Amino acid sequence: LAKTTQPISMDSYEGQEVNITCSHNNIATNDYITWYQQFPSQGPRFIIQGYKTKVTNEVASLFIPADRKSSTLSLPRVSLSDTAVYYCLVGVDTGRRALTFGSGTRLQVQP
Amino acid sequence: DADVTQTPRNRITKTGKRIMLECSQTKGHDRMYWYRQDPGLGLRLIYYSFDVKDINKGEISDGYSVSRQAQAKFSLSLESAIPNQTALYFCATSEGRDEQYFGPGTRLTVT
Repeated sequence: LAKTTQPISMDSYEGQEVNITCSHNNIATNDYITWYQQFPSQGPRFIIQGYKTKVTNEVASLFIPADRKSSTLSLPRVSLSDTAVYYCLVGVDTGRRALTFGSGTRLQVQP
Repeated sequence: DADVTQTPRNRITKTGKRIMLECSQTKGHDRMYWYRQDPGLGLRLIYYSFDVKDINKGEISDGYSVSRQAQAKFSLSLESAIPNQTALYFCATSEGRDEQYFGPGTRLTVT
């Protein structure tokens, strides 16, 4: 399984764009990159998934360079409600493997 | 109604007692998972099941057992609870590529 490295924490202010980068140097050819968001005492919630280049949905964008050894989750114009932990997962949920969550990045958005 | 439900939501028990946590889903997914989360840490995978007859150990299966009674039901048991099993437990389901849907969690305290 590809090991991921994320910053432990980040701080931002309301209205700013936040970019959280995840390193995954040994990503395999078939691996996808998936991001989850978790609020305190709640289960994680899927945000976005991608394989290469750029993916955008109503919540976030995911940028993946050509070598796929890293990825960046971009949250446009964050609000206080975006304060949460963000997890980057890399792998493909097939065969007898399941993905594992790391420690995530704790994002604190201030007024 | 919630797609993934967990019972009980909170439980306090004593060391040495047997405890069962239950998870039910109405999403029709084949795959189900049990995670544990300790304060300030990420999620750790305990067991996962890719279908009713396919159950696999995760990162931290020691001290736990599971039962997949039906496609929609996946139970986690602590045969003899110990204090360091005090944690927040999450059940999740998925179908296909990695997007997991989490239940609300069970807060377990072992005294």
